[in-house]
Amino acid sequence: GAVVSQHPSRVICKSGTSVKIECRSLDFQATTMFWYRQFPKKSLMLMATSNEGSKATYEQGVEKDKFLINHASLTLSTLTVTSAHPEDSSFYICSARGGGGNTDTQYFGPGTRLTVL
Amino acid sequence: TQLLEQSPQFLSIQEGENLTVYCNSSSVFSSLQWYRQEPGEGPVLLVTVVTGGEVKKLKRLTFQFGDARKDSSLHITAAQPGDTGLYLCAGARTGNQFYFGTGTSLTVIP
Repeated sequence: GAVVSQHPSRVICKSGTSVKIECRSLDFQATTMFWYRQFPKKSLMLMATSNEGSKATYEQGVEKDKFLINHASLTLSTLTVTSAHPEDSSFYICSARGGGGNTDTQYFGPGTRLTVL
Repeated sequence: TQLLEQSPQFLSIQEGENLTVYCNSSSVFSSLQWYRQEPGEGPVLLVTVVTGGEVKKLKRLTFQFGDARKDSSLHITAAQPGDTGLYLCAGARTGNQFYFGTGTSLTVIP
């Protein structure tokens, strides 16, 4: 199956700093990538949809100035959490769409655990 | 409000028992995926169903897509501790719309 990587897997930062998370599709080109946030034992909450070369589409309630998304190439999207606060601590997961005969399928990265002190 | 509701939300069973997880919606989907997620990891795709009424089997797991493509079920036979995890259904609609279910946390006790 298609492979999606995320970096870093874990990050701890101080309140007020910014953190960048990378999402890469390793063996396929992803015109669309998605960013999710997940709380323990809960389902994934879609934050934004990122299309290569265009601005991301944010879900209602997600601050676009706080969660900056860049999709500069067909294999890389980045999420930057700006001026992080403890309430931003969470598990962030990206996914990439495509990578096979069924373009409806999403392939997920392993996630990034963010802890803001 | 979630477009896809899963039931049950939590399930704890003994090894060897059978179980069924349901994923229901009032909306029609072009396809539906099932994922399993372990703590601290991303969801892993188990299956994609596309055709109404379709049944797919993956070893002890049986997936069914409803005839009207609004719902799906996952049946596990003779559950094992390795089946423990969070099971997520996700439905795709036309365009870029993709919706996750509410999730079912399964614990299989040895």
